[in-house]
Parts: sequence; structure tokens; C-alpha cells
Amino acid sequence: IAGITQAPTSQILAAGRRMTLRCTQDMRHNAMYWYRQDLGLGLRLIHYSNTAGTTGKGEVPDGYSVSRANTDDFPLTLASAVPSQTSVYFCASSDSGTGEYNEQFFGPGTRLTVL
Amino acid sequence: DQQVKQNSPSLSVQEGRISILNCDYTNSMFDYFLWYKKYPAEGPTFLISISSIKDKNEDGRFTVFLNKSAKHLSLHIVPSQPGDSAVYFCAAKLTGGGNKLTFGTGTQLKVEL
Repeated sequence: IAGITQAPTSQILAAGRRMTLRCTQDMRHNAMYWYRQDLGLGLRLIHYSNTAGTTGKGEVPDGYSVSRANTDDFPLTLASAVPSQTSVYFCASSDSGTGEYNEQFFGPGTRLTVL
Repeated sequence: DQQVKQNSPSLSVQEGRISILNCDYTNSMFDYFLWYKKYPAEGPTFLISISSIKDKNEDGRFTVFLNKSAKHLSLHIVPSQPGDSAVYFCAAKLTGGGNKLTFGTGTQLKVEL
């Protein structure tokens, strides 16, 4: 593994079903993030984690949950999918040390369609 | 409420000419700004950044300009190349907001031969 991997690459899901999007990084970054990308809306932060064991809400957290049991993994769960959650989902990670800014590195994305 | 705005959804430029991508923001508490580039079916990748204490940062063909009083930044690419064709996202970081970013809506740049 090099960088960030996401699985699945794409998924078609029936409304009401539960779905977990997986994200794994091997860069030993403390911080991880989940974004969704929608046309005309750009990238919007769903949830984030500054370090293992902690999580926080972003701009659009409703309908999503996350966990951070260890440094490498940051799964995103849709408990009961709805069509408005059709989107491309990106996971990212970064250092969270002191300094002006720490670059976020993005995974290749998961394209999710909820019917 | 879109705090970071890219008002041009698309831009078409001839190869060799200058591409100028614009970004406006509303929150004066943003202290760091970035541009990310995204190719189809790939995740965004970092391109260039600028601190709010500066007004210009240059990296090769890419220059970012920041006008704090106007709450405006721009990305200049010169000369533009076909490989620059991608979606460009402007992003901003809040003072005291950790490493979280607020992204703009993106501009699709097409560099034509």
C-alpha cells in the first residue's frame, strides 16, 4: 500500500441499506478526513479525526458516522442510505503537527449511487 | 452559505497562453489558502498555497496572488499546457481551525491545442 486507498471504487446501493466506505493510509498521518464532491458544490467536509480515538463533525455530517480505532483506518458509515447521498466520496489524511499548514493527501474516491 | 466561491465553473484557454482562475472568500478568519488540482477519476492533489501574510507565491509556472482587502485570490498558470486541463479547487483554512479546509466549487480548466 502506498498513500491512501479507498474501497469500494464504486457502489450502487438501494435506499435504506447500510453501507461502510473504507479508507486506509500508510503514511502514519494523525489526521484523517471524509469529503463528498457534488457538482456545483465542490468538496464538503463530512467528518474528520485529528488523532486516533477522536472524531469531529464537518459541514455536512448528518446521515453519516465515523470511527477511528487506529491511526491507519477511518471508515465512513451510512446507516440508512438516501438518494441525496449519491456522490463521490474522498478520504484524505495529513499530519496534524504544529505549523502553518499540513498538506492533505487524498485517496482516489468512491463513487456511490443510492437508488 | 458558501464561504469560498469560484464563480467560473469552466475556463477554456489556448496552449501557451495564461490561465487565470479566480476565487473569492467571505470569512476574514481564513489565514491560509491553497489550490488543489483534480483529474477525472482521481483524488485532488495539492498544487500551491499562500499564507495570509503574503500577497504572492510562485512555483514554476504557477503563481498565486492574494488580495486580502478584496478577499480574493487567483491562480495564474503561464504558459498553459494541455496537461493542465483539470478541475481546480480553491481552499481555505480557518485561524485556529486545525488543518480542516473549506473548499470552493471548482473551475474546470480546458487547455486547447
